[in-house]
Amino acid sequence: DAGVIQSPRHEVTEMGQEVTLRCKLISGHNSLFWYRQTMMRGLELLIYFNNNVPIDDSGMPEDRFSAKMPNASFSTLKIQPSEPRDSAVYFCASKGQGATNEKLFFGSGTQLSVL
Amino acid sequence: DQQVKQNSPSLSVQEGRISILNCDYTNSMFDYFLWYKKYPAEGPTFLISISSIKDKNEDGRFTVFLNKSAKHLSLHIVPSQPGDSAVYFCAASARSNYQLIWGAGTKLIIKP
Repeated sequence: DAGVIQSPRHEVTEMGQEVTLRCKLISGHNSLFWYRQTMMRGLELLIYFNNNVPIDDSGMPEDRFSAKMPNASFSTLKIQPSEPRDSAVYFCASKGQGATNEKLFFGSGTQLSVL
Repeated sequence: DQQVKQNSPSLSVQEGRISILNCDYTNSMFDYFLWYKKYPAEGPTFLISISSIKDKNEDGRFTVFLNKSAKHLSLHIVPSQPGDSAVYFCAASARSNYQLIWGAGTKLIIKP
């Protein structure tokens, strides 16, 4: 298995533009997590899906952020409009049904820079 | 308010010596703790974990110690090797499969 796959690896955009980050889960996994990493705050959970359903979105910063799981293996995180303070590394991670956190696997991340 | 704190943003250790990374938590409901390791341009990967029923867990060169009364855990790496240079995240959860709360990470640099 190729692991969790994120795209793009790097994204540079201008303030006000829409940004879409993509994530492909490991086959058979049904829990999906979007995280944001910054120097100041470390890893912050943005949203958690289980079986395609958003379970906890309390970490989504504001209405400019939205996330979807159109099918069991794929998710998108959209920022519209983007702002410079959104610059960070965004990770998605997945694990199987009832799996312990030792089995949480991360993608390589998307480095987002908003100018 | 950060529930999991890693107060040292970075740590530099001589190759062959012991590396000690520290982590404090505030929520007494946490009973499962993990360390993840992250190399540049990669996602975090699981390193070692400990349940609150134990005070020590060892895996090769890596040992995690848990002091529940002090709400403190530490990761010991002995001996430290150049490949250990990475960012180390401490994370905690209320159960082994519940959502993780993460620390900000400590960047470990192993000097040759």
